[in-house]
Parts: sequence; C-alpha cells; structure tokens
Amino acid sequence: GAVVSQHPSRVICKSGTSVKIECRSLDFQATTMFWYRQFPKQSLMLMATSNEGSKATYEQGVEKDKFLINHASLTLSTLTVTSAHPEDSSFYICSAAGGIPVEKLFFGSGTQLSVL
Amino acid sequence: RKEVEQDPGPFNVPEGATVAFNCTYSNSASQSFFWYRQDCRKEPKLLMSVYSSGNEDGRFTAQLNRASQYISLLIRDSKLSDSATYLCVVSRGGYQKVTFGTGTKLQVIP
Repeated sequence: GAVVSQHPSRVICKSGTSVKIECRSLDFQATTMFWYRQFPKQSLMLMATSNEGSKATYEQGVEKDKFLINHASLTLSTLTVTSAHPEDSSFYICSAAGGIPVEKLFFGSGTQLSVL
Repeated sequence: RKEVEQDPGPFNVPEGATVAFNCTYSNSASQSFFWYRQDCRKEPKLLMSVYSSGNEDGRFTAQLNRASQYISLLIRDSKLSDSATYLCVVSRGGYQKVTFGTGTKLQVIP
C-alpha cells in the first residue's frame, strides 16, 4: 500500500482562488518532505523542501509567498497555491524519505491542478 | 547543458524485444543513481538503484559508467506492461540534491 498519501488527486478552480494540497506520510515520520511540479512532457522540478517545525527552503525561482508550505507535524506537509492563475496549472507531487533498513524516496500520488 | 539528459523517445518496440536507454549526467560529484518508472499522470516509482558493478533485477539490468558519466537501463523480453516513461535520477548526496531527467517514453507494441 501507499506510504505517502496525497490529496486531492485533482483540483479544478477559478483564477484567483487558493488551493491546498496535503501530503501525509503513513506509518513513518518524515522530518523532511519535498514538493515537486511537473509540466506536460517535462521533468519533475523540485519546488521546495519542507522541514518539520521550521520554514521551508525554496528553490530558485519559486515564489515563497505564492506557494505556502506548512510542515506542522512529522506526518503532514501542506502546499497552498495562493491566488492561482492558469499558468500554475500543473501536476504537483510530494515525496518523503523514509524506510528501514534502506532509506528510499516515496512519492505521493500527485495532484493535477487546473486553473480556469 | 542540463544536469541530467535523456532521449525523450518515444521508443516503440514489439513485445519480446530488448530495448536500452541511456542517461548522461554532467556533475562528476554525483553519488547515487536510480531509474524510476512513471506512468501517465502518476507518481514515479523506484525501479532500481544503479551501482558501479551493475545490477540486475529480472528482465531489467542497470549499469553505471562513471568515467563517461552515464547510466543505462536494459529491458529484455519487453512486455506490454513495460510501457511507461523511465526517469533517470541522479543524486549529489541526499534526497535534497536529487535531479530528475525528463524521461524516456517506452511504448511496447503487441
């Protein structure tokens, strides 16, 4: 079964609204989670690293005021796309590192965001 | 130059064929290498890690060539279910320094 749960799987919203995406690690504690974005026919691009109890670290070119990340617990990180615009339409995926004995990178199932 | 480069394909191959993908990386400090499989609009799933000595998992064989800075994936006896995009993933140390290739699309034809 999935070890990282991501919701919702699909969102359609109007331009100007905010959208929250949740990422939960199941059965393990993830002090660090990662948020990626993938445009059609392009690679996964790391947007930010979410650290439990502290501010997220954003990659160059990613607006921290537009993509709000909260990692309030060891099992939950949220990404909020504020004032979404059509160009924000993309596939957003979270991941968390964990696993014993070998640490692996587990991905959520992704969220397809469509902004009208 | 992109940090990780792959031929986007698509590679259209008949069932039972052998197909190979290559991936080149530009940063010689790269430490870990992986192949992931991604189905359309789904999350990537780890297919296999890649070691210098080469490793095999059933019909899949991965190789790493540090001198030439490339990794390869060989799929033997292709199945219809192998149709997917294969992502080359390179890490410079830790999951925070992971770079994904754009992926190579494979379509196995009946």
